[in-house]
Amino acid sequence: NAGVMQNPRHLVRRRGQEARLRCSPMKGHSHVYWYRQLPEEGLKFMVYLQKENIIDESGMPKERFSAEFPKEGPSILRIQQVVRGDSAAYFCASSPGSSYNSPLHFGNGTRLTVT
Amino acid sequence: SQELEQSPQSLIVQEGKNLTINCTSSKTLYGLYWYKQKYGEGLIFLMMLQKGGEEKSHEKITAKLDEKKQQSSLHITASQPSHAGIYLCGAPPASGTYKYIFGTGTRLKVLA
Repeated sequence: NAGVMQNPRHLVRRRGQEARLRCSPMKGHSHVYWYRQLPEEGLKFMVYLQKENIIDESGMPKERFSAEFPKEGPSILRIQQVVRGDSAAYFCASSPGSSYNSPLHFGNGTRLTVT
Repeated sequence: SQELEQSPQSLIVQEGKNLTINCTSSKTLYGLYWYKQKYGEGLIFLMMLQKGGEEKSHEKITAKLDEKKQQSSLHITASQPSHAGIYLCGAPPASGTYKYIFGTGTRLKVLA
């Protein structure tokens, strides 16, 4: 019974390159969330998606960041033209719904380092 | 917007000691989750509290929800080195929103 799978675990990119982070939700979960965690800081909401739809992207920077959750395949968080300030741990979480009785289940994260 | 504040921010205890971590919400709590994060890893779901006064236990970890005080506490009895990590509280989305929010975490170190 696989949990939320994220890959890669670690990603190193030079400034200006693109970073693609992948997330496969738990089986039966159709709601995907992306969060960013900076060192010594809490989890910051980025985007909430359901299959083929972006429901809430209010936490996403306006430029360079995009997310998708296609009908087939994993959810992708894409960061174009990365800068050093993008270095962080990015966590994906999934749930079967978005109500109070649906806790999020998290993957192990992708740690992005921009050199 | 709702915010969750945890206290203390960090804690160092001797093995075998009891400890309590608090999570206070700026708005009414309609439920609360507790997670544990090991350094460099993802968040592990511990338990969910839904009703005021509700108390749940998982091994030596007990959590309680006080809706009137907009607060939850997590208590570890007879701490062990395996309890070390970051404990985060989380709240479900408020009505009309989709964001789960989280506290900044309490870093626990248990000395053997």
